[in-house]
Amino acid sequence: EADIYQTPRYLVIGTGKKITLECSQTMGHDKMYWYQQDPGMELHLIHYSYGVNSTEKGDLSSESTVSRIRTEHFPLTLESARPSHTSQYLCASIRGGGGGEQFFGPGTRLTVL
Amino acid sequence: TQLLEQSPQFLSIQEGENLTVYCNSSSVFSSLQWYRQEPGEGPVLLVTVVTGGEVKKLKRLTFQFGDARKDSSLHITAAQPGDTGLYLCAGADSASNTGKLIFGQGTTLQVKP
Repeated sequence: EADIYQTPRYLVIGTGKKITLECSQTMGHDKMYWYQQDPGMELHLIHYSYGVNSTEKGDLSSESTVSRIRTEHFPLTLESARPSHTSQYLCASIRGGGGGEQFFGPGTRLTVL
Repeated sequence: TQLLEQSPQFLSIQEGENLTVYCNSSSVFSSLQWYRQEPGEGPVLLVTVVTGGEVKKLKRLTFQFGDARKDSSLHITAAQPGDTGLYLCAGADSASNTGKLIFGQGTTLQVKP
């Protein structure tokens, strides 16, 4: 069983609020990822990190930002949430290089009113 | 840009029927993974195929990687209601060590008792 956690699981907020979605893993994985997923649809990569102090934007443009100060922690922040940000956000991690299994957290379902 | 076309997008069948999900691309992948995702949870890895022509079986699920490593299929024999979920294929980029995956659009499977 993967040890990757996301909080909160569900969040309903008003437009303009600042929010931070938390993601932590206890597996010591170097690479971590944030995906955005609409219900029943594909995953779109919005941010990734190769390790501490390393962050890169993904294939899908996002107004969110991320940080990686500790190996185990990869939070995502939205400075001013808008209804278009309503989606599910999934965090994942992998040990080592390409082709390996990505371990996913349970996701945060965000609704911006 | 690497793309994975997954079909069908939706499938509703009766318990006991067989089905096949396809994942196609014009790009070559170093490996291809199949994930299953249940509502409100993150995707969980079912299998990874690495070698062209490879066939892997997981109980009633059979996975095949195309000879040219551009396509894959998932066949379920005698589907059961417990197979209901979103099935995602994901390809690993052979040219990089980023661990990034390209996801297909997903197939939502509903198996009715």
